[in-house]
Amino acid sequence: DGGITQSPKYLFRKEGQNVTLSCEQNLNHDAMYWYRQDPGQGLRLIYYSQIVNDFQKGDIAEGYSVSREKKESFPLTVTSAQKNPTAFYLCASSPQTARGEKLFFGSGTQLSVL
Amino acid sequence: EDKVVQSPLSLVVHEGDTVTLNCSYEVTNFRSLLWYKQEKKAPTFLFMLTSSGIEKKSGRLSSILDKKELFSILNITATQTGDSAVYLCVIQGAQKLVFGQGTRLTINP
Repeated sequence: DGGITQSPKYLFRKEGQNVTLSCEQNLNHDAMYWYRQDPGQGLRLIYYSQIVNDFQKGDIAEGYSVSREKKESFPLTVTSAQKNPTAFYLCASSPQTARGEKLFFGSGTQLSVL
Repeated sequence: EDKVVQSPLSLVVHEGDTVTLNCSYEVTNFRSLLWYKQEKKAPTFLFMLTSSGIEKKSGRLSSILDKKELFSILNITATQTGDSAVYLCVIQGAQKLVFGQGTRLTINP
């Protein structure tokens, strides 16, 4: 079945540590996105990629980094520079950029700080 | 600054009730308004609205857009416990999506 897989479901980070969240899709979508969801707030865009080997900052990119070496994969690294990393992280993909009706989401990763 | 505001933020009703969820927006380069349902964790697409006054329906769910007043409503009739979820309103602009905070709907049996 086609879809988006995020792993792990739950992740704990120690202070000063970098952690990487995985996102893989087999939908053959060009565009991929990372969103952060905090309680009582809408999803906020961290980074997005429209094509392999290219990505752009979203609204809250500070303290995060990404790579897009393969079409299927768009991992997100939460660096130690991100001072408030506790949140729910959603990965999404779409055939083209900003086509909301064709946006598919993964099941998310809950990141917590120890 | 683009923004999408949903109300209420939380709603608890009994099974069988009808609910109306609201979404107002201020977004430059509006292209469409979308509704998503987020149960458990992954949001799933419900509706896309681009024209004012045209109701979209899917079973017990319906939605309408008013581009003059910059708002949309999502109606759910004869609610069931399976309708319990967070409902997200999203505006699609020229290059980005802007998400509302979501309305958490709880249906009690």
